[in-house]
Amino acid sequence: DAKTTQPNSMESNEEEPVHLPCNHSTISGTDYIHWYRQLPSQGPEYVIHGLTSNVNNRMASLAIAEDRKSSTLILHRATLRDAAVYYCILRSDYGGSQGNLIFGKGTKLSVKP
Amino acid sequence: GAVVSQHPSRVICKSGTSVKIECRSLDFQATTMFWYRQFPKQSLMLMATSNEGSKATYEQGVEKDKFLINHASLTLSTLTVTSAHPEDSSFYICSAVKGVLLNEQFFGPGTRLTVL
Repeated sequence: DAKTTQPNSMESNEEEPVHLPCNHSTISGTDYIHWYRQLPSQGPEYVIHGLTSNVNNRMASLAIAEDRKSSTLILHRATLRDAAVYYCILRSDYGGSQGNLIFGKGTKLSVKP
Repeated sequence: GAVVSQHPSRVICKSGTSVKIECRSLDFQATTMFWYRQFPKQSLMLMATSNEGSKATYEQGVEKDKFLINHASLTLSTLTVTSAHPEDSSFYICSAVKGVLLNEQFFGPGTRLTVL
């Protein structure tokens, strides 16, 4: 699976938007871009995923660059409960990966009140 | 949504004993489940892929005789850590795939294993 690069940490103020970047310059045409987040001492939680078009759901928005070499997870209004490690993961539906997610180090988001 | 549970949430055992961790998909059937391990301040590491009715596929470096995986039904996978040692102390997390598209994957809350 192609590799992703994320900043180690980011800070945000409560109720302000947060833009979490992810670079994936070696992404292939069959790779989906997934975002998960993990709160302390909990299992990861699905946030959003997309292939080419921007995606919105109740938790966040995913903006995907036209060349797909980067993407940005957008939290529209950060709350204290959004403080977590956010993982950007590429996963292909083809080949031997069979759906497993390979986690990098992610971005640790801190939210200040 | 979909819920995945793990039991126990935390366990402390003596060195040399075996520990079984259960992973259940509560409101959906999962033909594929994954087991991860996470050491403090590190990311999740995939240990194995568990498919219902067949043998698990282990990642390189994971001892299949030490980490026994059984996926006997569409809602239950178990991970048994045999002859546990202090270095096996970790946070074990399972995930279950909902549907055939493999894009919907739901994680359990994790099991904290401490081996004394």
